[in-house]
Amino acid sequence: GAGVSQSPRYKVAKRGQDVALRCDPISGHVSLFWYQQALGQGPEFLTYFQNEAQLDKSGLPSDRFFAERPEGSVSTLKIQRTQQEDSAVYLCASSLRVGGRAGIDTQYFGPGTRLTVL
Amino acid sequence: SQKIEQNSEALNIQEGKTATLTCNYTNYSPAYLQWYRQDPGRGPVFLLLIRENEKEKRKERLKVTFDTTLKQSLFHITASQPADSATYLCALGGSTLGRLYFGRGTQLTVWP
Repeated sequence: GAGVSQSPRYKVAKRGQDVALRCDPISGHVSLFWYQQALGQGPEFLTYFQNEAQLDKSGLPSDRFFAERPEGSVSTLKIQRTQQEDSAVYLCASSLRVGGRAGIDTQYFGPGTRLTVL
Repeated sequence: SQKIEQNSEALNIQEGKTATLTCNYTNYSPAYLQWYRQDPGRGPVFLLLIRENEKEKRKERLKVTFDTTLKQSLFHITASQPADSATYLCALGGSTLGRLYFGRGTQLTVWP
């Protein structure tokens, strides 16, 4: 079956522009994660959805970052008034169930969207 | 806050040798630890998971050990091949809802 897909794969924005990044998780997956990966670094957690509910947004770096998953499948990460420090690869991951100490589930990652802010 | 260190940014070894990558962590007690492989321009791909009550896990040429006393995991690739060249990430898990904490990765190059 299809894996996690993300679009666009590359996005160049001028400083101050708004961008929207899309994630299509694996069909039927309950959990959806967004991570930010700076060059030469590991992924950093941004936010988590369980179905349509955003249960953890503690990793969002500022109120310019907003994520939604209105129907419990596709998710969009929106960044308003982009800044140069927002340049990074944005990764989306999904898993079939709810993970954590209550249970362990593999996260499947998409290819990421590389955002460059000029 | 939790801190995760992977032994080096880059590791170069000859084909056929065993590659050993290290992941050390502080300020956290993970319920499990995972290793991922990441190729340029791609997302991480899950390789192995080891739970806090397990000492060792194997999968084909891969072996992972987990020492919760030392707060360290070792990741071994035996009989390494040039196709094993990639960045390897360790990730700590077990927090509420399953978020992972990643190290910065070790770039492995296997030369013929």
